[in-house]
Amino acid sequence: KNEVEQSPQNLTAQEGEFITINCSYSVGISALHWLQQHPGGGIVSLFMLSSGKKKHGRLIATINIQEKHSSLHITASHPRDSAVYICAVGAYSGGGADGLTFGKGTHLIIQP
Amino acid sequence: DADVTQTPRNRITKTGKRIMLECSQTKGHDRMYWYRQDPGLGLRLIYYSFDVKDINKGEISDGYSVSRQAQAKFSLSLESAIPNQTALYFCATSEPTGQGYNEQFFGPGTRLTVL
Repeated sequence: KNEVEQSPQNLTAQEGEFITINCSYSVGISALHWLQQHPGGGIVSLFMLSSGKKKHGRLIATINIQEKHSSLHITASHPRDSAVYICAVGAYSGGGADGLTFGKGTHLIIQP
Repeated sequence: DADVTQTPRNRITKTGKRIMLECSQTKGHDRMYWYRQDPGLGLRLIYYSFDVKDINKGEISDGYSVSRQAQAKFSLSLESAIPNQTALYFCATSEPTGQGYNEQFFGPGTRLTVL
């Protein structure tokens, strides 16, 4: 069973700061997901990556397969970025339908 | 309209009652999942379904059952609800990419309270 660890668990920062959230996992994977959960509870997929780096607007996700580690960065953070960020890993699915294994989430608060 | 919907969105029930949570999707995906989320524990997989005839237990299936009535519908039942099943429940769907991994799409969640 894959173990997924996120750090920090809680993070409070000022608007404009550069934010980094880390995720490490114990077993090789097919892909890693970064998800965002707002206070209303809904979960949105931000990134799915298996190597290298992806960028969407102010969000950047990187993964190092050899070190079993991923980071999510937020540049020029804004109060609307306040949410819980969840790292999840998926086994290689092939013909199977395995679900994801999740970290416990990082609760991010960006203060104006 | 949302691609993945869940009903009800909120439910309060009593210990011992049978309850069903329903999930519908318009994405045309074969794969569907039920997860529960508890504070401090993160999301955990309850059941997943590869297609209408393929249903599999996840990490925490005890006390739950599921039914895949059609490609678009996947229901989760608690036969006799107990207080430690109080949680936020999410349905999700996925479709494999060419590289063999699945992007998942989540419903809005059902908040269940068992008294």
